[in-house]
Amino acid sequence: ELKVEQNPLFLSMQEGKNYTIYCNYSTTSDRLYWYRQDPGKSLESLFVLLSNGAVKQEGRLMASLDTKARLSTLHITAAVHDLSATYFCAVGSSNTGKLIFGQGTTLQVKP
Amino acid sequence: EPEVTQTPSHQVTQMGQEVILRCVPISNHLYFYWYRQILGQKVEFLVSFYNNEISEKSEIFDDQFSVERPDGSNFTLKIRSTKLEDSAMYFCASLTPGARETQYFGPGTRLLVL
Repeated sequence: ELKVEQNPLFLSMQEGKNYTIYCNYSTTSDRLYWYRQDPGKSLESLFVLLSNGAVKQEGRLMASLDTKARLSTLHITAAVHDLSATYFCAVGSSNTGKLIFGQGTTLQVKP
Repeated sequence: EPEVTQTPSHQVTQMGQEVILRCVPISNHLYFYWYRQILGQKVEFLVSFYNNEISEKSEIFDDQFSVERPDGSNFTLKIRSTKLEDSAMYFCASLTPGARETQYFGPGTRLLVL
C-alpha cells in the first residue's frame, strides 16, 4: 500500500526566511504533485514532477523530485505572508491517475 | 481558463438520506475522480472513472457509493444512505494525461450529515 508522508506537518516562519518541506513516499512512482489549499478552499495545482531529477520553480517556490530516494521537496525562498496555506504533496498512479496525498503541511508566515 | 465545477457548494442532510453530488469536468478530459477531505485531515481518494466505468476504487468506496456519467458532461457521486461519518468536503477532479498532465480539482461540495 502506497504511503505518502510529509514533514513537518506545521511550520511557522518569519517573512524573509527560507525553508523546505519534505515528501517521502513508499513505492515507486514517477508522478509527484504539489498542491496548495487555502482554508475552506479547493486544491490549486502548483507543480507536476514527472521524471527523476525534475526541478520546477514558480516565484518563491521550487519543487524537486528524486525518484530513487522516493523524495520530493518544496523549497520556500524568502517567505512572504501570502504563502500562508496548507501544502500537499501527492503521488500519482500511472495506471488510473489516482492521487495519494500526504497529510499536508500548514505553513504560517509571520510578518 | 476551463475549470471543474461542482454543485451544490453545501448540502445538509439527515442520516439515512440519499445525496447526489454533481460535477462538470473539463470538457476534453477523459479521466474523472472523486476525493473527500474530512475537516482538518488529508485528501482521500474515493474512485476513478474512465471510459464509462470505474477503473479503481478505494476501501472507502463501499456499496453505499456509486458514480455515474449520465450524459456527456456531468459526473455524479451518489451516497445511498448517508452516515454521520460521511460528513466531509467532496472534491471532483479531472485529467487528460500527457506531458503536462495536471489533475484539476473542483471547488468542492461540503456535505454535513446530521
